[in-house]
Amino acid sequence: KNQVEQSPQSLIILEGKNCTLQCNYTVSPFSNLRWYKQDTGRGPVSLTIMTFSENTKSNGRYTATLDADTKQSSLHITASQLSDSASYICVVSVTILTGGGNKLTFGTGTQLKVEL
Amino acid sequence: DAGVIQSPRHEVTEMGQEVTLRCKPISGHDYLFWYRQTMMRGLELLIYFNNNVPIDDSGMPEDRFSAKMPNASFSTLKIQPSEPRDSAVYFCASSYSYGYTFGSGTRLTVV
Repeated sequence: KNQVEQSPQSLIILEGKNCTLQCNYTVSPFSNLRWYKQDTGRGPVSLTIMTFSENTKSNGRYTATLDADTKQSSLHITASQLSDSASYICVVSVTILTGGGNKLTFGTGTQLKVEL
Repeated sequence: DAGVIQSPRHEVTEMGQEVTLRCKPISGHDYLFWYRQTMMRGLELLIYFNNNVPIDDSGMPEDRFSAKMPNASFSTLKIQPSEPRDSAVYFCASSYSYGYTFGSGTRLTVV
């Protein structure tokens, strides 16, 4: 069964500190891996998208890494801010053979809280 | 672009009643997905359409759930009859190629 597992389940850090979230997956065949941020009461918003040939991708203070051999990814947040408090979801994508779209398998997310 | 638009934002209904959730995808997107999100199970794919045609409905939990996409700009997810265990946030997303955009969701509470 295709699965995406994330750790930790929840995390509390002080404002200004860095943190790293982990993702392991068994989804196959792999098309791309995405990290989403979901604020409370909102839909998920894409942070990064990486294909299997990419090792790292940054979006501002967010840096994602990917090891396609070990099927692991991480999301590093630098100099955290209060507004970073959200759920961070790792998503692995499989290409839909008919039509070329992407079917997503979601992790259950890491709930991050940034405190003063 | 206004993004993916879902309505209503919140719905409270009594057990046994019919519930209809609505979604307007982004113009030009050829895929539309319906997801359900709960604390226990996270985001689960219910059904998706390609060019208005249902492709995979294997995630639909049971026959009480049905989805339609009568045209490229509108889709509905219907639950009849609704049950308390259907309480969740239901998201619609539309996609073109790699791009993937979620709506803000409908929070359904069945009492």
